[in-house]
Amino acid sequence: EAGVVQSPRYKIIEKKQPVAFWCNPISGHNTLYWYLQNLGQGPELLIRYENEEAVDDSQLPKDRFSAERLKGVDSTLKIQPAELGDSAVYLCASSLGRGMAYNEQFFGPGTRLTVL
Amino acid sequence: AQRVTQPEKLLSVFKGAPVELKCNYSYSGSPELFWYVQYSRQRLQLLLRHISRESIKGFTADLNKGETSFHLKKPFAQEEDSAMYYCALGTGANNLFFGTGTRLTVIP
Repeated sequence: EAGVVQSPRYKIIEKKQPVAFWCNPISGHNTLYWYLQNLGQGPELLIRYENEEAVDDSQLPKDRFSAERLKGVDSTLKIQPAELGDSAVYLCASSLGRGMAYNEQFFGPGTRLTVL
Repeated sequence: AQRVTQPEKLLSVFKGAPVELKCNYSYSGSPELFWYVQYSRQRLQLLLRHISRESIKGFTADLNKGETSFHLKKPFAQEEDSAMYYCALGTGANNLFFGTGTRLTVIP
């Protein structure tokens, strides 16, 4: 079992360019999360999916960020256009889903984005 | 609103010494508390959660609702405990709110 898979691992772009991150959760995990982790901070939730439905996107800056999970499995997070302040690590996590006794989340390795 | 506070960004202890990583939370509902750990060049992973009341790698944490704390403790630190530790608060919505983390260094 590879765990949560994310790609790319690193991305360097110039400001105003678009960028996309991909995540494949653990098989059977219905809940998928995207987190933003700034340097020296803990992860902050951007969006949470239950299957293909975005059930919490209150922290997603919708003017430039978008996400999708069309078939309820893998997901893509996009930024367009990127700004200097978007430089951070973007983490994807998955869990078994709502109603489970434990909310253990399994994290991917993250994508480190640098915006120049 | 929910909040998790980890007052120490850095903590150094000698091998064999006791270690305590502090975590305080603020939440109006019934809290679920977790400790996540990130070892060097590894991904973030669950260390322990308060509802299981178990010891993992010698670490324990007790939820104190009166003091709204969930401090992580280990009586004898080992070099392999050096890592970044995050306290996290879970809400009924399956969301986790993380603290800013404490980097623990165990000095040989």
